[in-house]
Amino acid sequence: GAVVSQHPSWVICKSGTSVKIECRSLDFQATTMFWYRQFPKQSLMLMATSNEGSKATYEQGVEKDKFLINHASLTLSTLTVTSAHPEDSSFYICRATGPTDLANEKLFFGSGTQLSVL
Amino acid sequence: QKEVEQNSGPLSVPEGAIASLNCTYSDRGSQSFFWYRQYSGKSPELIMFIYSNGDKEDGRFTAQLNKASQYVSLLIRDSQPSDSATYLCAVIEGAQKLVFGQGTRLTINP
Repeated sequence: GAVVSQHPSWVICKSGTSVKIECRSLDFQATTMFWYRQFPKQSLMLMATSNEGSKATYEQGVEKDKFLINHASLTLSTLTVTSAHPEDSSFYICRATGPTDLANEKLFFGSGTQLSVL
Repeated sequence: QKEVEQNSGPLSVPEGAIASLNCTYSDRGSQSFFWYRQYSGKSPELIMFIYSNGDKEDGRFTAQLNKASQYVSLLIRDSQPSDSATYLCAVIEGAQKLVFGQGTRLTINP
């Protein structure tokens, strides 16, 4: 089955620094990438949706200048948390979908990145 | 954003019994429904998907969908301790956009 590789698995950083998270689709073209955030004991909340070659669409309440999303190729999307603060500590997960001829059930998640900001 | 509601639990079930997880959704036009299992610190993994009214069985898992009442459920038969996890109900909204419920924490007691 299709695989989405997400790196790093977890990262600890100092407050004020920036952190980049990568998601790569290994054997299919990820036309759309969804980025989620999950706080402890809470559900996944969609942050933004990006289509390859286009600007990301952010959900209400998500700061686009703080969470920079790049989806310049069909196999790579990145999320950069700029000037991270402790309240940004969370589990970040990407999900890739391919061309529309792939069934909806093939909705592939990355393995997640646990971000801890000190 | 449309709503997906689940009882957050925790739900405790004895080993070998049937675990029943429920989910309701607000958008009557929703067509695709998913159940994910998530272990702590891990990414969700797909358990079942269902599109049509009625039951869908896969091994020990049965998904049930009732579009008229806007609920979808997941039954786990012969529950095992390894089934202890958080179960997330999700609904497709728009173009492949998944909206999740808050999840139900399930504990299977040996």
